[in-house]
Amino acid sequence: DQQVKQNSPSLSVQEGRISILNCDYTNSMFDYFLWYKKYPAEGPTFLISISSIKDKNEDGRFTVFLNKSAKHLSLHIVPSQPGDSAVYFCAAFSFTGTASKLTFGTGTRLQVTL
Amino acid sequence: DTGVSQDPRHKITKRGQNVTFRCDPISEHNRLYWYRQTLGQGPEFLTYFQNEAQLEKSRLLSDRFSAERPKGSFSTLEIQRTEQGDSAMYLCASSLRGRGGKLFFGSGTQLSVL
Repeated sequence: DQQVKQNSPSLSVQEGRISILNCDYTNSMFDYFLWYKKYPAEGPTFLISISSIKDKNEDGRFTVFLNKSAKHLSLHIVPSQPGDSAVYFCAAFSFTGTASKLTFGTGTRLQVTL
Repeated sequence: DTGVSQDPRHKITKRGQNVTFRCDPISEHNRLYWYRQTLGQGPEFLTYFQNEAQLEKSRLLSDRFSAERPKGSFSTLEIQRTEQGDSAMYLCASSLRGRGGKLFFGSGTQLSVL
């Protein structure tokens, strides 16, 4: 049962344009949603998060939007830079009892072209 | 902050052999997680510890897998009688309790079972 889904395996965007990465989830009990970025041969690194009680969180060039009714979140990167080329994972976190773990999507590979 | 350290970075073994991986978390972090990632997939949760207590194990973790975190410091993940399907990147992460899923990952151990 895939609780967190990223339906686009890849995305190509020109430098300077907006990148929009999408994520859907099925479990309405998640407390936080996070985006992680992963370069080859490295572990994922935290990028930005949003609480389930908010609908937007912004950090520099990165903004995450949460639509709870649609169970959908998106990551906007503006402007996109070549160094943003990486795999981006959407993840969801629940505080429920001892089951405090991250559930990841399958990732979207972003390629920012010159 | 020296980050999460994993050893070895790569391990090649023959089917049927036992392997052990080590993870040294960020020193003040009380939570430690093990994840597994295969090509084209997101990281899959295996198990997590709060201090030395193993609080949850995924059903993905067969009885050939065992993890320990003696004294709540470093952790080891052992796989007995390895199978080709065990080939994957094994990721360790640590966090402080109550940080809403913000995990710090190591660079992983890439296991290849021949």
